[in-house]
Amino acid sequence: DAMVIQNPRYQVTQFGKPVTLSCSQTLNHNVMYWYQQKSSQAPKLLFHYYDKDFNNEADTPDNFQSRRPNTSFCFLDIRSPGLGDAAMYLCATSSTNRQGVGQPQHFGDGTRLSIL
Amino acid sequence: QKEVEQNSGPLSVPEGAIASLNCTYSDRGSQSFFWYRQYSGKSPELIMFIYSNGDKEDGRFTAQLNKASQYVSLLIRDSQPSDSATYLCAVRVNDYKLSFGAGTTVTVRA
Repeated sequence: DAMVIQNPRYQVTQFGKPVTLSCSQTLNHNVMYWYQQKSSQAPKLLFHYYDKDFNNEADTPDNFQSRRPNTSFCFLDIRSPGLGDAAMYLCATSSTNRQGVGQPQHFGDGTRLSIL
Repeated sequence: QKEVEQNSGPLSVPEGAIASLNCTYSDRGSQSFFWYRQYSGKSPELIMFIYSNGDKEDGRFTAQLNKASQYVSLLIRDSQPSDSATYLCAVRVNDYKLSFGAGTTVTVRA
């Protein structure tokens, strides 16, 4: 089945130690998104890629970076995780219609990040 | 004012009843609306999307959109214990970005 796969499902890192979360997709969608979701809160968009074009949200901290080496893979790098970065990180993908508008987003299972 | 607002709940309904969830949004120009279901500790799962005023039915789920009043609702008929989850309303705010509500938690009592 075509899907969005996130690895690892659970990640524990130390305060200040860089960490990378990965996302892959077999849907061949041209748009990939990274969200942060804290308990009982709405998912918060960090950034998205339209093909290779990176689009950062204005309020995303500089501590968060992303890479998309090809259509299938996208990575979230947290350069110096703080305690406030403990959350579920969600990767999502979507295709675009003829007008270039994103279609419904499909989420991976998420990576739950804990900071020691 | 938040872009998308939902009652946080919890909304408790008996098994077999109809669960009614409401969502209001602030941008009158919004065109696309989505309902996601999220089980505890899991990721959101798309269950419905609606673009036009009126009702859209899919199995036990019905989405209702009223752009003039800026609300979108989700009805779950014949509620089952497996429907117990948090339901997120999402509104498209530009070509790619969705704005999510904080979700309504639904508990279906057996």
